[in-house]
Amino acid sequence: KQEVTQIPAALSVPEGENLVLNCSFTDSAIYNLQWFRQDPGKGLTSLLLIQSSQREQTSGRLNASLDKSSGRSTLYIAASQPGDSATYLCAVKSGSGSARQLTFGSGTQLTVLP
Amino acid sequence: NAGVTQTPKFQVLKTGQSMTLQCAQDMNHEYMSWYRQDPGMGLRLIHYSVGAGITDQGEVPNGYNVSRSTTEDFPLRLLSAAPSQTSVYFCASSLGPFWPQHFGDGTRLSIL
Repeated sequence: KQEVTQIPAALSVPEGENLVLNCSFTDSAIYNLQWFRQDPGKGLTSLLLIQSSQREQTSGRLNASLDKSSGRSTLYIAASQPGDSATYLCAVKSGSGSARQLTFGSGTQLTVLP
Repeated sequence: NAGVTQTPKFQVLKTGQSMTLQCAQDMNHEYMSWYRQDPGMGLRLIHYSVGAGITDQGEVPNGYNVSRSTTEDFPLRLLSAAPSQTSVYFCASSLGPFWPQHFGDGTRLSIL
């Protein structure tokens, strides 16, 4: 059974700092990995999706990398801003047939201090 | 662009009551899913659908029922509410199994 772990559970940084969020998964046979952002009381917003054949994806100040063989992904946020404060979740698509599904980590709660 | 719309946003039920959580999407997505989010446990898949008329169970399907009569709608039914079903429920949709998933804002459900 696929398991996804995100460490740390919470992170607090001063504004302007570059930071890295970590995601690890136990089964490397994945189709893709997706990073989401969740604001309090809201749903999930998709940030980046990396297919299993890709090594990284970039969107603005965000860069996500994928190392399938080691079961790891990182989300790099450059020049952090208070508006980046949210919970960041990673999820991997794995399994086969009817068992193919998205498995989520518990998230990293990020606070960027002004 | 409404995206994925969930109703109601909040609901309080008594143990044993039944209700339906509504989910609608206007993006012509074939894939739709229901998740529940509980503290410290991440999101867990309840049921999903790969197209109209086709549904399947996820990780935690017990106590829930779904149907998919149209592409747009994917309601989730609680048959006999239990306190263990207190959670935040999210509906999601995507073009296909390997496309990004789009989420609604959730339904916060409390069972007393």
